Amino acid sequence: EDKVVQSPLSLVVHEGDTVTLNCSYEVTNFRSLLWYKQEKKAPTFLFMLTSSGIEKKSGRLSSILDKKELFSILNITATQTGDSAVYLCAVPMDSNYQLIWGAGTKLIIKP
Amino acid sequence: GAGVSQSPRYKVAKRGQDVALRCDPISGHVSLFWYQQALGQGPEFLTYFQNEAQLDKSGLPSDRFFAERPEGSVSTLKIQRTQQEDSAVYLCASSSGLRVLVMKETQYFGPGTRLLVL
Repeated sequence: EDKVVQSPLSLVVHEGDTVTLNCSYEVTNFRSLLWYKQEKKAPTFLFMLTSSGIEKKSGRLSSILDKKELFSILNITATQTGDSAVYLCAVPMDSNYQLIWGAGTKLIIKP
Repeated sequence: GAGVSQSPRYKVAKRGQDVALRCDPISGHVSLFWYQQALGQGPEFLTYFQNEAQLDKSGLPSDRFFAERPEGSVSTLKIQRTQQEDSAVYLCASSSGLRVLVMKETQYFGPGTRLLVL
């Protein structure tokens, strides 16, 4: 059965810390992995990863994929209180449009 | 509009009542998705439209759930005879891509409708 597992489920750190969020997956015919940030309700797109070893970077956020070990990590450096959110990882199923979502990591940044 | 909009933002229903949730996707977006998100969980796929065609409704949890997109833009998710287990946030997302390209396109999410069934 296809699945996506994220860890940790929740994380509390202080402003300025660096965090690493994990997403592991088991999916038939893997094509890509997506990271979203969910504040309040609407998930907003962060990264799409398709190739192993190539880091995607956007400001203090970066992500990398390991297709051999079937996982991805999302790094956030110099965290700020505005980074507090649920970070979701998703992988498309064979259908090419249906996403399997992880349960998310709830990140809380304390000032 | 600038993004995906959904209405109402909050809905409280008595058990057994019918509800209708509306989604206005980004203008011109071909693909439209409905998701159900329970507290502390990731979104669960409900159904997918390409224009007005409902290509996949495999995620709808029961025949009480019905979705339509008659003119290929606005979509409505209807839940009949609501039950307490229907309480969740219902997210709508749209994407500009066609089915075969959709996973290369970002899905843009609306703010969701929080449904509480008492």
